[in-house]
Amino acid sequence: AQSVTQPDIHITVSEGASLELRCNYSYGATPYLFWYVQSPGQGLQLLLKYFSGDTLVQGIKGFEAEFKRSQSSFNLRKPSVHWSDAAEYFCAVKYNKLIFGAGTRLAVHP
Amino acid sequence: DVKVTQSSRYLVKRTGEKVFLECVQDMDHENMFWYRQDPGLGLRLIYFSYDVKMKEKGDIPEGYSVSREKKERFSLILESASTNQTSMYLCASSPDHRQAGEKLFFGSGTQLSVL
Repeated sequence: AQSVTQPDIHITVSEGASLELRCNYSYGATPYLFWYVQSPGQGLQLLLKYFSGDTLVQGIKGFEAEFKRSQSSFNLRKPSVHWSDAAEYFCAVKYNKLIFGAGTRLAVHP
Repeated sequence: DVKVTQSSRYLVKRTGEKVFLECVQDMDHENMFWYRQDPGLGLRLIYFSYDVKMKEKGDIPEGYSVSREKKERFSLILESASTNQTSMYLCASSPDHRQAGEKLFFGSGTQLSVL
């Protein structure tokens, strides 16, 4: 069965530090891959998506993600975190339907 | 900008009550979805609809039903609310389900507490 795993439930980083949020999926074929962000009290907003082609994808708010087929991973990165990036981040994969990971809550220390 | 509006931000109901959660989108999207969000479980799909008067069960439909009488409105119904339905409910819409990986637009959510 298709599934998506976000190994880190909670991550804390200092403002200005780099960030990497992990996402792994299980299935043979390459799915469509997404990262969504949920700010406090808000719905989810799409950060970026990968369908095919260049494995490094640029998104909004300075985020990027890299698809690695050999590792079945689609990790989200940002070189320098801002306090406003504190939120919950969801990885999602789609084959015939969209499946969300459990989410990673990011806290940012000043 | 696409707007998905959920009628209530917070809702408190009693066990056994019939509960209606309303969702309206203003971009003429074909597809609408209801998810529930629980800590540690992410988002789980309850029901979805690809057209007016059409509905399909998602992964956790038990205890819920839906109604889509108009394209812009998708209602989630809890026939007899139970405490295990206390959760955050998120409505979403997207333009065309035939476009694989289409972008979902989410409402701000309704935090439902069943006492």
